[in-house]
Amino acid sequence: GESVGLHLPTLSVQEGDNSIINCAYSNSASDYFIWYKQESGKGPQFIIDIRSNMDKRQGQRVTVLLNKTVKHLSLQIAATQPGDSAVYFCAENSGSARQLTFGSGTQLTVLP
Amino acid sequence: GAGVSQSPSNKVTEKGKDVELRCDPISGHTALYWYRQSLGQGLEFLIYFQGNSAPDKSGLPSDRFSAERTGGSVSTLTIQRTQQEDSAVYLCASSLYSSVNTEAFFGQGTRLTVV
Repeated sequence: GESVGLHLPTLSVQEGDNSIINCAYSNSASDYFIWYKQESGKGPQFIIDIRSNMDKRQGQRVTVLLNKTVKHLSLQIAATQPGDSAVYFCAENSGSARQLTFGSGTQLTVLP
Repeated sequence: GAGVSQSPSNKVTEKGKDVELRCDPISGHTALYWYRQSLGQGLEFLIYFQGNSAPDKSGLPSDRFSAERTGGSVSTLTIQRTQQEDSAVYLCASSLYSSVNTEAFFGQGTRLTVV
């Protein structure tokens, strides 16, 4: 989707609830996807990745779902905590280009 | 080093001056990326180095921007005749190239302010 010049989408959740952050990608040749978390004043940090031969992958409190049919990626965070407040970016990589292309990001705010 | 190191962490420069931003990738990482992030925005790809291959410069916004990577390790991003719209955080990342995709590790970034 469009990202340049627009404010980041926001998502507010209550502490303890589950969060779902969505990402649409455009390159059907992309074969590797990553979710990054960026806290204020810091560089993005790796959360979880998934390859295109999978449709689901689980980590600690996080799950990534990949729907290649509609080119959609989601990040689910279980029992969201205040420390989860950050901007979340999805990134895709197509084998031929090798560079990572980032989505526009979503600002997650966890409410007490 | 243990992670990607960028210097300086902050840079204030006058409009029209040239600046150089430095990135020390993780030792052994053959892939190196530069991204730009304006306040409250996403990451804009600038340039990608992979080993001895020709860099992918497709993201450089103008010919005032250039980058080099010496000896397959340290990289320098140079912005000539800086403009106020160049103000942003410049992020460097590196990854271990292999036949299987791996994640990129980011530095803390250099915050550039052009006054």
